[in-house]
Amino acid sequence: QTVVTQEPSFSVSPGGTVTLTCGLNSGSVSTSHHTSWYQQTPGLAPRTLIYNTYTSSSGVPDRFSGSILGNKAALTITGAQADDESDYYCLVYMGGGIRVFGGGTKLTVL
Amino acid sequence: QVHLVQSGAEVKKPGASVKVSCKASGYYFTDYNILWVRQAPGQGLEWVAIIYPRGGETTCAQKFQGRVSVSRDTSTSTVYMDLSSLRSEDTAIYYCVREQQFNMDVWGHGTTVTVSS
Repeated sequence: QTVVTQEPSFSVSPGGTVTLTCGLNSGSVSTSHHTSWYQQTPGLAPRTLIYNTYTSSSGVPDRFSGSILGNKAALTITGAQADDESDYYCLVYMGGGIRVFGGGTKLTVL
Repeated sequence: QVHLVQSGAEVKKPGASVKVSCKASGYYFTDYNILWVRQAPGQGLEWVAIIYPRGGETTCAQKFQGRVSVSRDTSTSTVYMDLSSLRSEDTAIYYCVREQQFNMDVWGHGTTVTVSS
């Protein structure tokens, strides 16, 4: 069974840079997994930040970027702001139409 | 403007079925896939299923096989998700999401399904 792994929590100072990662319990994440990233504030629907590993969704500030780092997908926030404090989820495409979400990372900005 | 409008909240008893609808507007319906994603209270996001509206093919996560059915009505640009044999763990907000080439760009507002005896 595929498990997508994310850090449960992370902390960053205002103005700082943070990189959240998204891995697989078996194997490496590559561009063929078409990883996407979502931001969610409690009580609201998720917002798409990044899709196809690198591409920013419309209207997303350019301080959010996606990449592959080693054997994982990564979401980097450069110049973190207070309203970036949210839950972040990655979604990995496993082929055959199947997608799997990671467990999410709770980001604190303080 | 693109919208996905979902049906209202549901309360069901264990063992029952629920049907949630997602009506699309503002774009050509068969050009985009529709995914279903759920979120149980205090939990993370969970991918449920996808439908390809052009041909109607569907795929779902293994844990839902045999319990979930996704269909579409192209005449009304509406997608339906049927979940049967409901249990308390199915209590969640169910979102429909528009997707094209792995870009999930428009989310529905969510439908709360509560399973309780």
